[in-house]
Amino acid sequence: QVQLQESGPGLVKPSETLSLTCSVSGGSISSGSYHWSWIRQPAGKGLEWIGRIHASGGTNYNPSLDSRLTISVDTSKNQFSLKLNSVTAADTAVYYCARYALHQLAGSAFDIWGQGTMVTVSS
Amino acid sequence: EIVLTQSPDTLSLSPGERATLSCRASQSLSSSYLAWYQQKPGQAPRLLISGASRRAAGIPDRFSGSGSGTDFTLTISRLEPEDFAVYFCQQFGGGSRIIAFGPGTKVDIK
Repeated sequence: QVQLQESGPGLVKPSETLSLTCSVSGGSISSGSYHWSWIRQPAGKGLEWIGRIHASGGTNYNPSLDSRLTISVDTSKNQFSLKLNSVTAADTAVYYCARYALHQLAGSAFDIWGQGTMVTVSS
Repeated sequence: EIVLTQSPDTLSLSPGERATLSCRASQSLSSSYLAWYQQKPGQAPRLLISGASRRAAGIPDRFSGSGSGTDFTLTISRLEPEDFAVYFCQQFGGGSRIIAFGPGTKVDIK
């Protein structure tokens, strides 16, 4: 059973870089038709897709975050990571990592989610 | 970029009633790329439906999805107490490779 676990600082100062890592257990990050995504949710609000990466290193980013965002993968550690620079209070949210399964017939979706980690941007 | 809207914002119903949630896309999208999620307070979202109509593993058959093109529906045939939650639709933009979520519909107890 594949599981995802987010880790990283819970508090980041304004203008600094938010860095999070998602560790994948129970399966290889390189197997199958999967992309690995970051999604965030400010308190009381909806879900915002941040971006995704394939084990090959190919990425797609939310255009609204593209200029501040880097998502990378380390297949040797079975992890992928998020770096969001120049953060402001608007970046305060619960950050989730999730697996996106691409299946033309069965349908594509986020089938596995981490539990989420709260990140607060404050001085 | 495809934008999803959901209606209503809130649906107030009693246990045992039928819930009908709508998700509308700004452009036609492939049904393969439309999914529905349930989220309860303090929890990560849980996949309910992929490919517009395919229930995920372990999802009760009171949940069903339908629709195509720009209009999609999630139906809960008879609400159980554990079904009161927020529901999000989500699409993958195919060629644009951009993913987006709808704003959500909250199903609460009347």
